[in-house]
Amino acid sequence: EVQLVQSGTEVKKPGESLKISCKGSGYIFTNFWIGWVRQTPGKGLEWMGIIYPGDSDTRNNPSFQGQVTLSADKSINTAYLQWSSLEASDSAIYYCAREMTRSGFYDSWGQGTLVTVSS
Amino acid sequence: DIQMTQSPSTLSASVGDRVTITCRASQSISSWLAWYQQKPGKAPKGLIYAASSLEAGVPSRFSGGGSGTEFTLTITSLQPDDFATYFCQQYHNYPWTFGQGTKVEIK
Repeated sequence: EVQLVQSGTEVKKPGESLKISCKGSGYIFTNFWIGWVRQTPGKGLEWMGIIYPGDSDTRNNPSFQGQVTLSADKSINTAYLQWSSLEASDSAIYYCAREMTRSGFYDSWGQGTLVTVSS
Repeated sequence: DIQMTQSPSTLSASVGDRVTITCRASQSISSWLAWYQQKPGKAPKGLIYAASSLEAGVPSRFSGGGSGTEFTLTITSLQPDDFATYFCQQYHNYPWTFGQGTKVEIK
């Protein structure tokens, strides 16, 4: 069974750094792109970017460029989403999801990580 | 970016009804369209890809259609488990983009 398990809820202050994770199991992790999606009540679902764990190739949404970093450690089947300096507007639920081969369709999703940024 | 617009935003229906949700793209996306279902507090779940291909395990009462700029998600004979929010997503051009969602609620 394909599973993506994300790290837990985070409560941070503005200016702090953060790295959340997404661990895949039940499939060959290096063979599928992993995407990150932000969800907020105001803007809905927003695609942030994708990473190919096999070689760490990435495709980023320009709207998030420079604000977040996607990375992966294929030795432990884990993808990461990282901020160097959080802002209150980063408060959201973040999902990782696996892209179907040769497609932008997400066939398996993590449970989501709630990030709250507040002073 | 390609804008995806869903209608209606909210749909009230009864168990057994046939419901149709529309998704329009701001430019042609061929058939590079997906549909997802999301329930409160849960991650989205993939239903349909390539506009009309049913994801494994998804009930056959769900179907997708369309190409180019106009697409539909139809649920024949709405079941209690189907009350949820539905999103479309294009994957023709980066960045992938989602519609704003259609909430299907009990009438």
